[in-house]
Amino acid sequence: KQEVTQIPAALSVPEGENLVLNCSFTDSAIYNLQWFRQDPGKGLTSLLLIQSSQREQTSGRLNASLDKSSGRSTLYIAASQPGDSATYLCAVENSGGSNYKLTFGKGTLLTVNP
Amino acid sequence: DAGITQSPRHKVTETGTPVTLRCHQTENHRYMYWYRQDPGHGLRLIHYSYGVKDTDKGEVSDGYSVSRSKTEDFLLTLESATSSQTSVYFCATWSGETEAFFGQGTRLTVV
Repeated sequence: KQEVTQIPAALSVPEGENLVLNCSFTDSAIYNLQWFRQDPGKGLTSLLLIQSSQREQTSGRLNASLDKSSGRSTLYIAASQPGDSATYLCAVENSGGSNYKLTFGKGTLLTVNP
Repeated sequence: DAGITQSPRHKVTETGTPVTLRCHQTENHRYMYWYRQDPGHGLRLIHYSYGVKDTDKGEVSDGYSVSRSKTEDFLLTLESATSSQTSVYFCATWSGETEAFFGQGTRLTVV
């Protein structure tokens, strides 16, 4: 059974700081890994998708890396802003047969202080 | 937002009553999922569908059933609601290639 762990559970930083969120998974037979953002009371918004054959993806101030062999991914946020405050979740798509399931970590609650 | 609509957005129901939540997509995605989100547990998969009339159980499927009679719609039914099913329910869709999309959630309270 795939298990996804996110560390830390909560993080508070001052505005402008660069930060790293961590995600680890137990089964390396993944199809892809996604990072999502969730604002309070809202649904999830996909930030970055990394295919299993890729090492990283970038979007603006966000950079996600994937080391499939070690079961780890990081989300790097540069020059953090108060608007980045949200819960960040990572999820892996497991490859197994012809059906694909998303398994989520419990998320990291990020607070960026002005 | 992606073309995913969940209905209703909020519902209060009594213990023992049946409840159906609807997820409608306009993305023509093959895969659809129902999750519940609870404090301390994160997102947990209830059921998912990999095609019309093709569904399978997730990790917390007891007390829930689903149906998918056409690509656009994925229904989640609580046959007899219990207080432990009070939660926020999210529907998600995926094409199998690009990122997954989530609905805005349904807040269900069972009293």
